[in-house]
Amino acid sequence: DGGITQSPKYLFRKEGQNVTLSCEQNLNHDAMYWYRQDPGQGLRLIYYSQIVNDFQKGDIAEGYSVSREKKESFPLTVTSAQKNPTAFYLCASSRGGHNQPQHFGDGTRLSIL
Amino acid sequence: GQQVMQIPQYQHVQEGEDFTTYCNSSTTLSNIQWYKQRPGGHPVFLIQLVKSGEVKKQKRLTFQFGEAKKNSSLHITATQTTDVGTYFCLSGANNLFFGTGTRLTVIP
Repeated sequence: DGGITQSPKYLFRKEGQNVTLSCEQNLNHDAMYWYRQDPGQGLRLIYYSQIVNDFQKGDIAEGYSVSREKKESFPLTVTSAQKNPTAFYLCASSRGGHNQPQHFGDGTRLSIL
Repeated sequence: GQQVMQIPQYQHVQEGEDFTTYCNSSTTLSNIQWYKQRPGGHPVFLIQLVKSGEVKKQKRLTFQFGEAKKNSSLHITATQTTDVGTYFCLSGANNLFFGTGTRLTVIP
């Protein structure tokens, strides 16, 4: 089955700790995205990548970092500089370009201990 | 991504009633995509509109793109409990524009 896999489903972070959220897709999509969703709120774009080895900041990139070393993978690191990391994180992919429909993973819920 | 105004923010309907959500932009949009997110779930793509005045239907759902390509609507006829969730629009070209979402509750 083709799709996007995010792991883990739930993640707990201690103060001052960096954590990495995994996102893998086997759809052969060029573009990948990371979003943050707070309770009752809409999506906010953190980072996106349209090709391997290239990525762009979204609206709320501060405190986050990404890499795109492989087409299939787009991991997101939530650094200790992100002071309010508790949120639902969604990864998505599309064939390429912002005008293409996006396929979303099941998300990772990050909480602070 | 910038924001597209989406109204209403919340809508409670009795099962069988109709429901409509609207996305409005101050700038011309190249396309509009609609997604549905069930409570606790992830967004699922519903449809994309690209032409001025375009209307598309999916069973009880009707999607419209305005003539000026600055607004769009999603209309559900005779809602069912399976329709509950948040519906949001997304438009992308050089930048991504997101609707803030409308949360639909259907009362049985």
